[in-house]
Amino acid sequence: AQKVTQAQTEISVVEKEDVTLDCVYETRDTTYYLFWYKQPPSGELVFLIRRNSFDEQNEISGRYSWNFQKSTSSFNFTITASQVVDSAVYFCALSQSGNTGKLIFGQGTTLQVKP
Amino acid sequence: DTGVSQDPRHKITKRGQNVTFRCDPISEHNRLYWYRQTLGQGPEFLTYFQNEAQLEKSRLLSDRFSAERPKGSFSTLEIQRTEQGDSAMYLCASSLALEKLFFGSGTQLSVL
Repeated sequence: AQKVTQAQTEISVVEKEDVTLDCVYETRDTTYYLFWYKQPPSGELVFLIRRNSFDEQNEISGRYSWNFQKSTSSFNFTITASQVVDSAVYFCALSQSGNTGKLIFGQGTTLQVKP
Repeated sequence: DTGVSQDPRHKITKRGQNVTFRCDPISEHNRLYWYRQTLGQGPEFLTYFQNEAQLEKSRLLSDRFSAERPKGSFSTLEIQRTEQGDSAMYLCASSLALEKLFFGSGTQLSVL
């Protein structure tokens, strides 16, 4: 069965701290895609990153970085020097049957960044 | 590119009533998806269209739910004989094939 687990329900940090959001997935597909989405209080899911199963290169985009490790089925997300505007719910997601729009989402991690 | 728009933003209805939601995808996107999100959970896939064809439906989509996408443009999701368990945020998303999803702001349904 396919599954995404985000074990951290809520994380609270003080501004400028670094924070890592964990994501562990299960799949039998040999080709799959992993995603991170951000859901601010407004409710709209905002795409952050997509990774395919053949690309284990880590990626950095500004203050955001992602660590993909197939050996441990993990796709973790780190925010460096967090800011209050980073406060949101973050979802990790896994594609099903190669369909990049048919996703299984984790339960989400609520990040609160305090000033 | 005006993004994915959904209407209405909020809907309050009484149990047993029918409701219909509308989604307007990004114009050039051929794929359109419906998801449902309950409080404290991640979105769950309901169904998707490629152009006007509905290609897949989740087991979550009971017979009371029907979705259409006439002419491959906007889509509607209808729930008949609503139940309290239908209360959720209904999210629409669109994409080009094999590309990332763009989500709308959702329709929050409350069934009293």
